[in-house]
Amino acid sequence: DGGITQSPKYLFRKEGQNVTLSCEQNLNHDAMYWYRQDPGQGLRLIYYSQIVNDFQKGDIAEGYSVSREKKESFPLTVTSAQKNPTAFYLCASRGRVGGYNEQFFGPGTRLTVL
Amino acid sequence: QQQVKQSPQSLIVQKGGISIINCAYENTAFDYFPWYQQFPGKGPALLIAIRPDVSEKKEGRFTISFNKSAKQFSLHIMDSQPGDSATYFCAVNQAGTALIFGKGTTLSVSS
Repeated sequence: DGGITQSPKYLFRKEGQNVTLSCEQNLNHDAMYWYRQDPGQGLRLIYYSQIVNDFQKGDIAEGYSVSREKKESFPLTVTSAQKNPTAFYLCASRGRVGGYNEQFFGPGTRLTVL
Repeated sequence: QQQVKQSPQSLIVQKGGISIINCAYENTAFDYFPWYQQFPGKGPALLIAIRPDVSEKKEGRFTISFNKSAKQFSLHIMDSQPGDSATYFCAVNQAGTALIFGKGTTLSVSS
């Protein structure tokens, strides 16, 4: 069953803690992305990676970190430096489908800071 | 600076009506224009996409109209159904970079 999985679905964090969100894909896509979604703000890009062992900052990278050690995996760490981390986090991957480079999203992780 | 502007922010349409959502962009280097549909608590799903070399693409009840000279594109949902009630996002892409999303339109189809 091909697709993108994110875990956990819900995550609660105490202030001052780092947490790591998991994203795995079995679509054999090279590119992977992390977005943050807040009400009325659309989808804002945090980090992206177009190849293993390489990644770039997006528009709102401060307070986040990523790694890309395997093609299938792109975990996101929300650090204590992120002042307002409560949000819905979406992972995506992108690959060739027909004539387009299409992007697909995972089901998301909802992070709440207590 | 917002690279893609989406309107309206919310939309209410009667069942059977036509829903129209618009997006405008500035950068003429954008080369791919997808629309995504998102239900509450779920990840966005790719609905339909277009390249700038065509002016219209239709898939079932969903149509993208693309106006290259005006730098605008729109999503039309024909015969709108209550099941279409969701948030819709347009996006733009420049080759080799990440998709940039509009802020979304919340569509409610009343029965």
